[in-house]
Amino acid sequence: NAGVTQTPKFQVLKTGQSMTLQCAQDMNHNSMYWYRQDPGMGLRLIYYSASEGTTDKGEVPNGYNVSRLNKREFSLRLESAAPSQTSVYFCASSGAGSRSPLHFGNGTRLTVT
Amino acid sequence: KQEVTQIPAALSVPEGENLVLNCSFTDSAIYNLQWFRQDPGKGLTSLLLIQSSQREQTSGRLNASLDKSSGRSTLYIAASQPGDSATYLCALPRNSGNTPLVFGKGTRLSVIA
Repeated sequence: NAGVTQTPKFQVLKTGQSMTLQCAQDMNHNSMYWYRQDPGMGLRLIYYSASEGTTDKGEVPNGYNVSRLNKREFSLRLESAAPSQTSVYFCASSGAGSRSPLHFGNGTRLTVT
Repeated sequence: KQEVTQIPAALSVPEGENLVLNCSFTDSAIYNLQWFRQDPGKGLTSLLLIQSSQREQTSGRLNASLDKSSGRSTLYIAASQPGDSATYLCALPRNSGNTPLVFGKGTRLSVIA
């Protein structure tokens, strides 16, 4: 059982380049999330998808777009990377209801130079 | 808006000691509270989830309590071991209802052999 799988694990971009972070879960979860984690700032929500076909902005959505491709997959796109987007990005998923814990992937470490 | 605070930011204890990690939150109209563990370079792993109607949850040497009236939760770790060294984070839904989680910045625990 793989859980939440993120690719790539590491990425270096130059300012202005674009890329898509991929996330897939095999737990049949309805909800999926993208967080970024920065030293001193903790985890902050970028975007989330409460169910297939819906997406909503989180706390720090500027500079990002998302696609809920199907129930399994939720991608995060940086159209024009900036040094401020250097961070560790985590994808997470959860089932329906308040009894379902959040499951995380192992993260993508992104550096923008 | 839910705000989550964890104090202290870091804690170092000798092996075998019992310890308590603290989490405080501002909005007591919550559905649940979760405690997570994060090892360096890894994603977060859910340890315990407490429903708002519960006072505590136990898993092995871990016990989490919830006091909504005071806006506090504690994670008690019994007989600490070096393998418990990690960062521990608490998180709650950002609004009432089953909404995305807001995280504290965590307590970095070191258990010294």
